[in-house]
Amino acid sequence: DGGITQSPKYLFRKEGQNVTLSCEQNLNHDAMYWYRQDPGQGLRLIYYSQIVNDFQKGDIAEGYSVSREKKESFPLTVTSAQKNPTAFYLCASSITFAYGYTFGSGTRLTVV
Amino acid sequence: QQQVKQSPQSLIVQKGGISIINCAYENTAFDYFPWYQQFPGKGPALLIAIRPDVSEKKEGRFTISFNKSAKQFSLHIMDSQPGDSATYFCAAQVANNNDMRFGAGTRLTVKP
Repeated sequence: DGGITQSPKYLFRKEGQNVTLSCEQNLNHDAMYWYRQDPGQGLRLIYYSQIVNDFQKGDIAEGYSVSREKKESFPLTVTSAQKNPTAFYLCASSITFAYGYTFGSGTRLTVV
Repeated sequence: QQQVKQSPQSLIVQKGGISIINCAYENTAFDYFPWYQQFPGKGPALLIAIRPDVSEKKEGRFTISFNKSAKQFSLHIMDSQPGDSATYFCAAQVANNNDMRFGAGTRLTVKP
């Protein structure tokens, strides 16, 4: 079955550590996205990529970094510069210039 | 800068009742309006979507009503069931742009 796989489902980070969230898709979609979800704030765009080796900052990119070395993969690194990283992180993908996104099942990151 | 405003933030409905969630947008370039359903701990899944060339779209118990002149659209859930309890997001997307803007979400609780 085609879809988006996010791992791990739960992640715990100590303050000052960098952590990387994985996102893999087998839908052959060109575009991929990372969103952060906090209660009552909806979905906020962190980074997006429309093509391999290219990505753009979203609305809340500070403290995050991404790479897009393969079409199927779009990992997100939450750096120690992100002051409030505890949140639910969602990866999505879409066909370029087509409608609609497909979402993964999310990673819940907690700072301990 | 919230381009899609969603209300209410939370909604409680009795089983068998009608749930209504409203959204308003500002950018007249938007031409695709999806609704996503999200269960706790899961990623959002596309529920139903509409293009602005129609005023209503129905799929089973779910109906989107679209008012282009008012720049508003709404989701109606008929005969609401406890299994419909979830968070619902409206969104809007421009045709030649992968950028999708989301509302803040509505947490729906259907009481048995």
